[in-house]
Amino acid sequence: NAGVMQNPRHLVRRRGQEARLRCSPMKGHSHVYWYRQLPEEGLKFMVYLQKENIIDESGMPKERFSAEFPKEGPSILRIQQVVRGDSAAYFCASSPEGYQPQHFGDGTRLSIL
Amino acid sequence: EDQVTQSPEALRLQEGESSSLNCSYTVSGLRGLFWYRQDPGKGPEFLFTLYSAGEEKEKERLKATLTKKESFLHITAPKPEDSATYLCAVQASSGSRLTFGEGTQLTVNP
Repeated sequence: NAGVMQNPRHLVRRRGQEARLRCSPMKGHSHVYWYRQLPEEGLKFMVYLQKENIIDESGMPKERFSAEFPKEGPSILRIQQVVRGDSAAYFCASSPEGYQPQHFGDGTRLSIL
Repeated sequence: EDQVTQSPEALRLQEGESSSLNCSYTVSGLRGLFWYRQDPGKGPEFLFTLYSAGEEKEKERLKATLTKKESFLHITAPKPEDSATYLCAVQASSGSRLTFGEGTQLTVNP
């Protein structure tokens, strides 16, 4: 049983570049969540998606950040024109239904030079 | 706004020395309270879900309990491999997002 798969595990970008983070949910899970963990801070919710739909994006920064979960393929978190403050660990989680426990991947560590 | 506060921030125990971690919460209608374990460089690993006051769940040396305002994670006779950061999160009945506390970093010395 493969767990939640995130790639890349580590990503280095220069200021102004784009970062694309990918997440494949556990088999049988159609609900995907993205969380961000800033240095010395707790996990913060960003966005909740189902296939082809954004259900809750109340935690997403208003600019430069977007997320999608297409009918086929992984969920993508996209950060345009990255800045130093975007350096963090980004975690994806999935669940079979929205009210069931969320299972997490091992994250993507994003570093901005 | 939902809030979760965990205490202590850090806890050092000797192997076999039992203790409890606290999670205080405020939420507008609790759907569930979740405990996770996180090892360095890894994602949170799901441990328990508690849904209503008075509920208890157990797994090996861990036991989670829930009241209307807080949850406790009791660790009985811990071993060094129990060393990790333990995270508490709440899910409101109005949505699916988890609101996390900042965690308790547990170190168990042999």
